[in-house]
Amino acid sequence: AQRVTQPEKLLSVFKGAPVELKCNYSYSGSPELFWYVQYSRQRLQLLLRHISRESIKGFTADLNKGETSFHLKKPFAQEEDSAMYYCALASAGYSTLTFGKGTMLLVSP
Amino acid sequence: ETGVTQSPTHLIKTRGQQVTLRCSSQSGHNTVSWYQQALGQGPQFIFQYYREEENGRGNFPPRFSGLQFPNYSSELNVNALELDDSALYLCASSLGSGGFETQYFGPGTRLLVL
Repeated sequence: AQRVTQPEKLLSVFKGAPVELKCNYSYSGSPELFWYVQYSRQRLQLLLRHISRESIKGFTADLNKGETSFHLKKPFAQEEDSAMYYCALASAGYSTLTFGKGTMLLVSP
Repeated sequence: ETGVTQSPTHLIKTRGQQVTLRCSSQSGHNTVSWYQQALGQGPQFIFQYYREEENGRGNFPPRFSGLQFPNYSSELNVNALELDDSALYLCASSLGSGGFETQYFGPGTRLLVL
């Protein structure tokens, strides 16, 4: 069975500080991993996917198959980054998508 | 271009009843996925419909069923409601089978089962 673990419910940092939101997964196949974000009073939306290797809004995420991790990082947090972040894993063939429980990021001025 | 809409926005049912939730997909999208989000939890994948066929299913019992119509809108039906079915139900539309990298979410329907 596939599983996604986000160990922190809440991460609180000051503006300008580095941010790392942790995500670990359990999956026997080749994983397809995503980060989704939900800003206050907005809909859930895709932030980035590992296969594209993009940097979105300054965020990056590297897949580490040895550590089965897909941590989300940003070198300098901004107040507008405050949101709920979900890590998600798609099964082979994209037939299912498994979300973690989410981490609330709070960036203080 | 219109976004994903869901109806109703919220409703209250009693245990044992049946409920139907509706989702209109974004223009041009042919895939709809449904999720259940309990309070304080991440979304849980219920199932996905691609071109009117079920294309994938999560760990939900058969009393959760769905439909997709020729215009790609979709319904989620839940029979024999239980208290634990109380949650926010999200739908998301996308283009193509799977499509998790392109899905757009609706605002959700909040269901309370008493």
